[in-house]
Amino acid sequence: GENVEQHPSTLSVQEGDSAVIKCTYSDSASNYFPWYKQELGKGPQLIIDIRSNVGEKKDQRIAVTLNKTAKHFSLHITETQPEDSAVYFCASILTGGGNKLTFGTGTQLKVEL
Amino acid sequence: ETGVTQTPRHLVMGMTNKKSLKCEQHLGHNAMYWYKQSAKKPLELMFVYSLEERVENNSVPSRFSPECPNSSHLFLHLHTLQPEDSALYLCASSQERTGSEQFFGPGTRLTVL
Repeated sequence: GENVEQHPSTLSVQEGDSAVIKCTYSDSASNYFPWYKQELGKGPQLIIDIRSNVGEKKDQRIAVTLNKTAKHFSLHITETQPEDSAVYFCASILTGGGNKLTFGTGTQLKVEL
Repeated sequence: ETGVTQTPRHLVMGMTNKKSLKCEQHLGHNAMYWYKQSAKKPLELMFVYSLEERVENNSVPSRFSPECPNSSHLFLHLHTLQPEDSALYLCASSQERTGSEQFFGPGTRLTVL
């Protein structure tokens, strides 16, 4: 089955700096890669996703890149703000079949003033 | 708000109790999921329902019993739980059973004494 590894487990940055979270996956057939943000006391919220036919996607301060050859994808947050502090999860799946999302172990991001 | 609600938000129960978790989605989705979230571990998929039929049971102990009376509601019945079952239980829904673009509820924080 699919295996997703996520690094780092914790990340502390100064407000205004950039943050990068990296994930690798094992199943080369996976074709959909969402990122979730989980704030304290809430469930994970989808913040951005990318499909395997695209190498990069951007939405304001967040962007995701995908390297299919190396089987890794990354989340980039620029100009970080205190409200970006949360746990971020990556995931992967082969869509269209009876497959399931496989999640990484999460990254605790702390944006310090 | 994601359109997925869960009750109760917090639950403390003894090992001999019987309780139920409830999930409701207002998104018109036809697939619903139960996940277990424990500290320092990836989200663990427990059950998947598609069109009210259980389509996946990931080797979950029988002390957890799901029920999906219709496409908008999902229950998780609990009985004779163990302290190691203490975790955040998350419900999610998606348009199809492909698993992509899942929307999560806020979770039920369960403590088993």
